[in-house]
Amino acid sequence: AQSVSQHNHHVILSEAASLELGCNYSYGGTVNLFWYVQYPGQHLQLLLKYFSGDPLVKGIKGFEAEFIKSKFSFNLRKPSVQWSDTAEYFCAVNAYSGAGSYQLTFGKGTKLSVIP
Amino acid sequence: NAGVMQNPRHLVRRRGQEARLRCSPMKGHSHVYWYRQLPEEGLKFMVYLQKENIIDESGMPKERFSAEFPKEGPSILRIQQVVRGDSAAYFCASSPSGLESDTQYFGPGTRLTVL
Repeated sequence: AQSVSQHNHHVILSEAASLELGCNYSYGGTVNLFWYVQYPGQHLQLLLKYFSGDPLVKGIKGFEAEFIKSKFSFNLRKPSVQWSDTAEYFCAVNAYSGAGSYQLTFGKGTKLSVIP
Repeated sequence: NAGVMQNPRHLVRRRGQEARLRCSPMKGHSHVYWYRQLPEEGLKFMVYLQKENIIDESGMPKERFSAEFPKEGPSILRIQQVVRGDSAAYFCASSPSGLESDTQYFGPGTRLTVL
């Protein structure tokens, strides 16, 4: 079975600080990797995704993530955070389930608070 | 270009009542997934449906929960005889067919509170 772990439950940063959120997954086969963001009071939005090719993936709003296969990791980064980045961030993986679906397995999420 | 729609956004039920949660996928999407988020937990997969078919229900509790996606109308997640442990946020996601079928787009969720 797949599993995803996010290392930090809550991260507090000042504006302009650099961000790195850790994500490790457990699965023996080929996976697709995602980062979703949930702003306060809003629904989950796709930040970026990795399917294949260049392991450094760029997403919206200046976010990027690097897939390191040997470490089973897909860490999210942003060089300089803004107050508007305050949100909860979820790492997810999917793989063909064999039962016909590409169900997502999520980490527990990391709450990011950016202080002005 | 409407996204995934869910209603109601908030639902309050007393123990023993039924809860019906609706999900309208994005236009052109024929795949629907339901997930449940308990407090302080990540989202957990429940069921995957295509029109008129349940494809994968490996995450559904064995009793009281059912889902459908009829030919016409929204997908419905139904919880019979709700208990306090059913209190959670329920999210629906949809995906298109073809090359982008691996990418799911989420609705705003329905927050169910069982009194």
